[in-house]
Amino acid sequence: KAGVTQTPRYLIKTRGQQVTLSCSPISGHRSVSWYQQTPGQGLQFLFEYFSETQRNKGNFPGRFSGRQFSNSRSEMNVSTLELGDSALYLCASSLETSTGELFFGEGSRLTVL
Amino acid sequence: EDQVTQSPEALRLQEGESSSLNCSYTVSGLRGLFWYRQDPGKGPEFLFTLYSAGEEKEKERLKATLTKKESFLHITAPKPEDSATYLCAVQNQAGTALIFGKGTTLSVSS
Repeated sequence: KAGVTQTPRYLIKTRGQQVTLSCSPISGHRSVSWYQQTPGQGLQFLFEYFSETQRNKGNFPGRFSGRQFSNSRSEMNVSTLELGDSALYLCASSLETSTGELFFGEGSRLTVL
Repeated sequence: EDQVTQSPEALRLQEGESSSLNCSYTVSGLRGLFWYRQDPGKGPEFLFTLYSAGEEKEKERLKATLTKKESFLHITAPKPEDSATYLCAVQNQAGTALIFGKGTTLSVSS
């Protein structure tokens, strides 16, 4: 059974640019959550999507957005990148919404210069 | 405000030297407490869910326990392959997103 797939794995952007990250959940999983991981703040919740609807949103500025498609695949977008957006962005999928038993991908490592 | 604090930040053990990792939490009604393991360059891997005080879960050399204010991850006779960062997270009764601690990085040397 294939795990959660995130693309791209690594990317470098400059301040002011925007970036789109993609996540393919485990087959049959309808919930996708996104987390930002940094050495200083640890794992912080960005948002959760279930059946194409945003179910929860973390405390991040509006520059961070996401969406989910009918096949459960999800994308997140960060506009007007700042240096502080450099982080590992992790996608996690689950069968149900609002569960703590998540299956994480390996992440997309974003560096903003 | 829901909060999770893990200690110690880092722990070095010799192979076979048992120890415990601590996760202290404050939450507005505990729905679940979760332990994850994260290897370098990988995403977290789910280990255990604990729902109520007194509950225990075991998996190989790991045993997780829960009280009303904290959880412990006991590692018995660890091996080098147990080296990883162990993350604790809580979810409140409203079922909102997980609140993660910053983790304990465990290094086991042979």
